[in-house]
Amino acid sequence: QVQLVQSGTEVKEPGASVTVSCEASGYTFSDFYIHWVRQAPGQSPEWMGWINPDSGALNYAEKFRARVTITRDTSTGTGYLELISLKSDDTAVYFCARGADYADAFDIWGQGTLVTVSP
Amino acid sequence: DIQMTQSPSSLSASVGDRVTITCRTSRYVNTYLNWYQQKPGKAPDLLIYSASSLQSGVPSRFSGRGSGTDFTLTITNLQPEDFATYYCQQTYSTPWTFGQGTKVEVK
Repeated sequence: QVQLVQSGTEVKEPGASVTVSCEASGYTFSDFYIHWVRQAPGQSPEWMGWINPDSGALNYAEKFRARVTITRDTSTGTGYLELISLKSDDTAVYFCARGADYADAFDIWGQGTLVTVSP
Repeated sequence: DIQMTQSPSSLSASVGDRVTITCRTSRYVNTYLNWYQQKPGKAPDLLIYSASSLQSGVPSRFSGRGSGTDFTLTITNLQPEDFATYYCQQTYSTPWTFGQGTKVEVK
């Protein structure tokens, strides 16, 4: 079935970097954008950016542009989110999501990866 | 950035009730407005896209309306599995933004 499977929980110290992976299966990876969304505890989701897996084109939210890098490996059907210079308020669940091909919406989501930033 | 305002922030309802949630955007978004349902510890699920189109597999008791800046999500005949938090999202311009959520609780 169509699914996105993310890497596991991360605990990082302030100032460190984290990379979260998102492996796609059940569909052609290059045919659908991959988006990254985060959700801090008790907060609403926050869109971070997208990648076109086919062309590699990117679009980042301005808020994260200086600290985030989204990449992909088409040979393995995997997307990646790297966030550097972590701060305590980066503590959140990070989701990857597939962009639907019939609307600007997210039709398939990964299970989420908890990233905790703590001294 | 386009600001999203949902109301109410929470509501209490009973099985069988009709529930309406409102989402207002700070600028015109045409019909680039989606609705998601989220249960604790889970990723959001797409319910409605393009303001009024029902996502495949979603029960027909869910419906969406609106265009421009004012939108509604209606759940008719509320079922036990519908108690959750609902978010609207605009995808008219980046950064794509979400509302603050509406929690539907058991009365």
